[in-house]
Amino acid sequence: QKEVEQDPGPLSVPEGAIVSLNCTYSNSAFQYFMWYRQYSRKGPELLMYTYSSGNKEDGRFTAQVDKSSKYISLFIRDSQPSDSATYLCAAFGPQDTGRRALTFGSGTRLQVQP
Amino acid sequence: DSGVTQTPKHLITATGQRVTLRCSPRSGDLSVYWYQQSLDQGLQFLIQYYNGEERAKGNILERFSAQQFPDLHSELNLSSLELGDSALYFCASSSSSGIAGTGELFFGEGSRLTVL
Repeated sequence: QKEVEQDPGPLSVPEGAIVSLNCTYSNSAFQYFMWYRQYSRKGPELLMYTYSSGNKEDGRFTAQVDKSSKYISLFIRDSQPSDSATYLCAAFGPQDTGRRALTFGSGTRLQVQP
Repeated sequence: DSGVTQTPKHLITATGQRVTLRCSPRSGDLSVYWYQQSLDQGLQFLIQYYNGEERAKGNILERFSAQQFPDLHSELNLSSLELGDSALYFCASSSSSGIAGTGELFFGEGSRLTVL
């Protein structure tokens, strides 16, 4: 079983829709959760970062972590064609600091249709 | 532009061959990470170097090796290549010795390896 699981999609939505992207994880030691965005033929770039449980909002993006159910979500409001990309969730925990790198999900490909 | 440079961008080679992928981290970053991205496995951590020393190892095969040089650039060597080694290989850098703060890694654009 992978430590971070993610539905690969693809997920196709019309412009303006609310998008919900989700991950589950199995390692209860994870405390830091991130969403990376990867455009085609590019490397991933950090989009959102959350520590422990709770919500974090940044413009049209909201990241949500529920540690009790080991569930990570990213919501995109008023989705735009420019949001079309692969979204990867990632996590790490205290034991990873200085010892290992981020554990990534396999990514969900999102297509926003104009 | 993340500031991380990877060469070559594309590489086609045959089974059994050896290739070297090169990475120049962002100016001032001491940590370099190598990741492999394939369709079925996603982003898999291979190895991390910090200021010339190996810091952490992930799912790196024995046929693969890496090093970080005094000027901080890094090379990933892949030998006895197999069809299954075809993938995107990413280098990422950070300023700290490990993942800290926001967990931000700065990724290059990757080297696409095709093994025929």
